[in-house]
Amino acid sequence: GAGVSQSPRYKVAKRGQDVALRCDPISGHVSLFWYQQALGQGPEFLTYFQNEAQLDKSGLPSDRFFAERPEGSVSTLKIQRTQQEDSAVYLCASSLAGGRYEQYFGPGTRLTVT
Amino acid sequence: EDQVTQSPEALRLQEGESSSLNCSYTVSGLRGLFWYRQDPGKGPEFLFTLYSAGEEKEKERLKATLTKKESFLHITAPKPEDSATYLCAVHIIGDFSGNTPLVFGKGTRLSVIA
Repeated sequence: GAGVSQSPRYKVAKRGQDVALRCDPISGHVSLFWYQQALGQGPEFLTYFQNEAQLDKSGLPSDRFFAERPEGSVSTLKIQRTQQEDSAVYLCASSLAGGRYEQYFGPGTRLTVT
Repeated sequence: EDQVTQSPEALRLQEGESSSLNCSYTVSGLRGLFWYRQDPGKGPEFLFTLYSAGEEKEKERLKATLTKKESFLHITAPKPEDSATYLCAVHIIGDFSGNTPLVFGKGTRLSVIA
């Protein structure tokens, strides 16, 4: 079946611009996670949804970062007034539920802020 | 603080030269340990989940084992196509909802030379 998809795959933004990154999880997956991955590092948690509810946003680095999943499927990560330190790969993952189920990752969106 | 440390950072092997990658963890309560493979420009690909000390799982040339403090990913007679970054992640016991994100190590970059 179809895996997790993300768009765009690459995004170049000028400092100060707003960006929106989209994630389409695997159909039927209840849980959706966003991670940020810097070059040469492992992914770091940003936020988590169970259906449409955002249960944990403790990893969001600032109030410029905002995520939503209004209908419990597609999710959007929005970054306002982008800064150079926001440059990274943003990964989305979904799983059947939290707890013991493995998370399946999308290909990521590489954001470059110039 | 929950921590995951992977070693070595990079490993270069000749084709057919078996070796092991290490993942040590310090967490408040382990719910599961995950191994992922990540190729350049792609999202992490799920390999294994281990839940309890003594557990082992195998897939082709890979075998993952778990103790109370660490996990090993053994690679037997590797081939060039096994070249990738291997990520270890832990799923810790969380709050009443049981839903917590994965905590990743920085990964081991494996290069297998023909």
